[in-house]
Amino acid sequence: GAVVSQHPSRVICKSGTSVKIECRSLDFQATTMFWYRQFPKQSLMLMATSNEGSKATYEQGVEKDKFLINHASLTLSTLTVTSAHPEDSSFYICSANTETSGPYEQYFGPGTRLTVT
Amino acid sequence: SQQGEEDPQALSIQEGENATMNCSYKTSINNLQWYRQNSGRGLVHLILIRSNEREKHSGRLRVTLDTSKKSSSLLITASRAADTASYFCATAANDYKLSFGAGTTVTVRA
Repeated sequence: GAVVSQHPSRVICKSGTSVKIECRSLDFQATTMFWYRQFPKQSLMLMATSNEGSKATYEQGVEKDKFLINHASLTLSTLTVTSAHPEDSSFYICSANTETSGPYEQYFGPGTRLTVT
Repeated sequence: SQQGEEDPQALSIQEGENATMNCSYKTSINNLQWYRQNSGRGLVHLILIRSNEREKHSGRLRVTLDTSKKSSSLLITASRAADTASYFCATAANDYKLSFGAGTTVTVRA
């Protein structure tokens, strides 16, 4: 149980375009979903926290107009990178916690590799 | 923000040997967690230790926590080639957010 999927697993887009990444909890309802980015050989940096039906809370330094997060249901959150630039190329990972696991245990998706050319 | 510092950054050991990595953090925590990440993949939760616990075991994993020193260690015993991965500690305060350390890359040689 507690499986989180992401789609797509890899995406290449041209500079200036937008790309949407989906994060789904497959077998549970996610009370909260988290979005991270990870640069090569570096750690995960939390970008934002989202709860179903409410606006996402962004971490300091993360542009909310550039990284749009929509948490439309208890099983789906989307991250849209708008007007992507090469410096946005990164590994984006989502996670979710469940009502039963409690607020501290997060289940991670497999990640999405974004390359902006 | 990134709170944890891990050492060593990289570790290479022979299969069957033990691997130990350390994590230090700066602020008060509710719990500390260890995760494994295989290359280019998502994270797998290994173990969670609460701030009032000092040691925890799970299979071949042993985690210690010293809140007075703000440090934790992860020991993997009898390592296997499949243990080759990056290992991250993550601290959680009362706001439920995870703050990850820089990670330790472990290579287990056959």
